[in-house]
Amino acid sequence: EAGVAQSPRYKIIEKRQSVAFWCNPISGHATLYWYQQILGQGPKLLIQFQNNGVVDDSQLPKDRFSAERLKGVDSTLKIQPAKLEDSAVYLCASSSKGGNTGELFFGEGSRLTVL
Amino acid sequence: AQSVTQPDIHITVSEGASLELRCNYSYGATPYLFWYVQSPGQGLQLLLKYFSGDTLVQGIKGFEAEFKRSQSSFNLRKPSVHWSDAAEYFCAAPGYSSASKIIFGSGTRLSIRP
Repeated sequence: EAGVAQSPRYKIIEKRQSVAFWCNPISGHATLYWYQQILGQGPKLLIQFQNNGVVDDSQLPKDRFSAERLKGVDSTLKIQPAKLEDSAVYLCASSSKGGNTGELFFGEGSRLTVL
Repeated sequence: AQSVTQPDIHITVSEGASLELRCNYSYGATPYLFWYVQSPGQGLQLLLKYFSGDTLVQGIKGFEAEFKRSQSSFNLRKPSVHWSDAAEYFCAAPGYSSASKIIFGSGTRLSIRP
């Protein structure tokens, strides 16, 4: 079974530029999560989708971050314009039952460096 | 607010020694609890999970964890560590406002001394 795929693995941009990350979850998983992991910290949930609907985006900085889940499968996370403090690893995860009773499967992450 | 606390930032143990990583949570009802491991440059992998029932749960790679409601703890243990266990370990629990929102602790980095 293929795992969660993310791209790109690494991205370096200047502040105020834009960037987009892509995630393809495990086939059949209805729930998709985007987490931000700053160096030395635990992952912080940015947004959670159930199929193509948003369940929780309370910690998503909506003035600069946006995310969508096309047709309930792939998802894209965009940052525009980027700030220095956005430097982090962006982790995508998926689950078949929702996180509270099911296991989250994580991709390898997309590491963003903002200069 | 719901929180997960891992008081130890970095722990070093000798190969073959026993290991215990601490996790404390704040939650009103019986929580679901998880331990994840993150190797360098990798995503997180589930080690074990507690939902209900037996408070001692077994996981992959020889790890176990014990849920203690009286102490609000869910400590991870392994009787004999291997060099390959060097990684970052995260305790996690559902958010109070949304059970499917998983909150992670800040992590404990484990180093293994040869």
